[in-house]
Amino acid sequence: QKEVEQDPGPLSVPEGAIVSLNCTYSNSAFQYFMWYRQYSRKGPELLMYTYSSGNKEDGRFTAQVDKSSKYISLFIRDSQPSDSATYLCAMSGGTYKYIFGTGTRLKVLA
Amino acid sequence: KAGVTQTPRYLIKTRGQQVTLSCSPISGHRSVSWYQQTPGQGLQFLFEYFSETQRNKGNFPGRFSGRQFSNSRSEMNVSTLELGDSALYLCASSSGLAGQWSSTDTQYFGPGTRLTVL
Repeated sequence: QKEVEQDPGPLSVPEGAIVSLNCTYSNSAFQYFMWYRQYSRKGPELLMYTYSSGNKEDGRFTAQVDKSSKYISLFIRDSQPSDSATYLCAMSGGTYKYIFGTGTRLKVLA
Repeated sequence: KAGVTQTPRYLIKTRGQQVTLSCSPISGHRSVSWYQQTPGQGLQFLFEYFSETQRNKGNFPGRFSGRQFSNSRSEMNVSTLELGDSALYLCASSSGLAGQWSSTDTQYFGPGTRLTVL
């Protein structure tokens, strides 16, 4: 079993839809949770990070962490075609190394 | 401020050869991490260098090695290439140690080097 599981998609939604992206994990030592966005032929860019459980909002993006369920989510409101990319979750804990999910491909249709 | 640069962007090698990839971090950043990205496994951590010292290492064989120079530039070397080494190799820089997360620290990724092993 992988330490981090992420549905690879692809996920296709119409413009303006609310998108929900999720990851589950097995290592209870993870404390830092991040979401990256990766456009084709580019390196990942950090979208949001959270520490421990709770919610964090930044514009159209909301990150949620539920440590009791070992489940994290990224919500995108009013999705735009420019949001079409691969979204990677990442986690870090006491070992100082990142563990990434395999990424979910999102396509927002105009 | 210039971003993370990686050279070359594309490489084609044959099995058994070795390859060296280069990464120049953002000016002032002292931490450089390397990752391998494949469709099946996603992004996997290779190693991290901070102030010319390897600080963390992922679960890769000894054929994968790296180093960091005094100007924080880093190189990654893969010896005795195998077909399974075909991947996108990404470098990321940050001002502090990756994993020692702080609200002001962020890992910035380069565009990657696409390695194809034939």
